[in-house]
Amino acid sequence: GQQLNQSPQSMFIQEGEDVSMNCTSSSIFNTWLWYKQDPGEGPVLLIALYKAGELTSNGRLTAQFGITRKDSFLNISASIPSDVGIYFCAGPSNTGNQFYFGTGTSLTVIP
Amino acid sequence: DGGITQSPKYLFRKEGQNVTLSCEQNLNHDAMYWYRQDPGQGLRLIYYSQIVNDFQKGDIAEGYSVSREKKESFPLTVTSAQKNPTAFYLCASTRLGGGNQPQHFGDGTRLSIL
Repeated sequence: GQQLNQSPQSMFIQEGEDVSMNCTSSSIFNTWLWYKQDPGEGPVLLIALYKAGELTSNGRLTAQFGITRKDSFLNISASIPSDVGIYFCAGPSNTGNQFYFGTGTSLTVIP
Repeated sequence: DGGITQSPKYLFRKEGQNVTLSCEQNLNHDAMYWYRQDPGQGLRLIYYSQIVNDFQKGDIAEGYSVSREKKESFPLTVTSAQKNPTAFYLCASTRLGGGNQPQHFGDGTRLSIL
């Protein structure tokens, strides 16, 4: 299956700092999804993007669907300790039958 | 509340033993999926099913089997042929909609070898 490349692989930041991470693909996607996974739990959907260039916010989180449709970005403003976790991007296959997931960005917030 | 329930939360397998992981959803979703997650890695697709009594292999189906007798249920059996079964297993579901419908996940089952 296709791999989505996420960067950075891990981040250590101070509480209150802004965070930016991205996800790239070798092929075009029509949908981009961003998930957060807390330790020992399943991923939870944060933001779904459906149109190239689209910018969508969910509280302190903002995600953008890249113009080339091969990338997406997730920003977190004013980070807090509960932002700790692994963030995954995902996109559907051409048939829509399955989803491809990124390798994840692990975020640690230092109080 | 609607959701996806995976059980058990923790499971231990002896050598040569088959074990079955349960996944039930009450979201009335058509498609269901099983993923394997290893430490520090992303999600790899094992099997998926879009309708009852039909399923397809994902990228790492060897050593696993599934059934989809009911829309709500998609159990995964880890067989003795899977030589490295220790991992975190995640079940997901979604409505069918050409890839525009996000997947929703259960809380996972952690499988370990005794």
